[in-house]
Amino acid sequence: NAGVMQNPRHLVRRRGQEARLRCSPMKGHSHVYWYRQLPEEGLKFMVYLQKENIIDESGMPKERFSAEFPKEGPSILRIQQVVRGDSAAYFCASSPMAGVNEKLFFGSGTQLSVL
Amino acid sequence: AQSVTQPDIHITVSEGASLELRCNYSYGATPYLFWYVQSPGQGLQLLLKYFSGDTLVQGIKGFEAEFKRSQSSFNLRKPSVHWSDAAEYFCAVGKLEAGGSYIPTFGRGTSLIVHP
Repeated sequence: NAGVMQNPRHLVRRRGQEARLRCSPMKGHSHVYWYRQLPEEGLKFMVYLQKENIIDESGMPKERFSAEFPKEGPSILRIQQVVRGDSAAYFCASSPMAGVNEKLFFGSGTQLSVL
Repeated sequence: AQSVTQPDIHITVSEGASLELRCNYSYGATPYLFWYVQSPGQGLQLLLKYFSGDTLVQGIKGFEAEFKRSQSSFNLRKPSVHWSDAAEYFCAVGKLEAGGSYIPTFGRGTSLIVHP
């Protein structure tokens, strides 16, 4: 049973390009979370999705960032017109159901570097 | 809104020494508390969690944590540290949001350095 898969592991983009980060949750998991990690800032919540629905996007920047979790296929975090400040590690986590006592299973992250 | 504070950015201990990593939370009701560990280049792995009952919880890899409501703390401990414990440790609090969603909030993390 594969864990949470994120790809690519490393992504290099020039300013103004688009970045697409993919996350395949664990089999049977229908809840996906995206977090951004900056050095010495810990994990910052971005968005929480269930299949075909955005449940909470209170941590997403208002512009350039979007996320989806289609009925089929991985969850995608999309960053348009990237800037140097977008450079960070982006982690995806999944859980089988929604609940305060559910632990999250994390992927290994995507390190985005913007030149 | 809930928040988590990990006051120590870095902690250095010698191998075999005891360890305590601090975590303080801010939340109005009984919190759901977690400790996760992140090895370099990896995602986070759950060490232990507290929901209710016994305030001293045991986790994997010999870790334990104690919930102290009076101090709003959930400190992580290990009696004897191994070199392989060198990693980043994150405390988290879980809360059910008004709309029914569950958003875990993480602290900034504590980096553990182990000297031989």
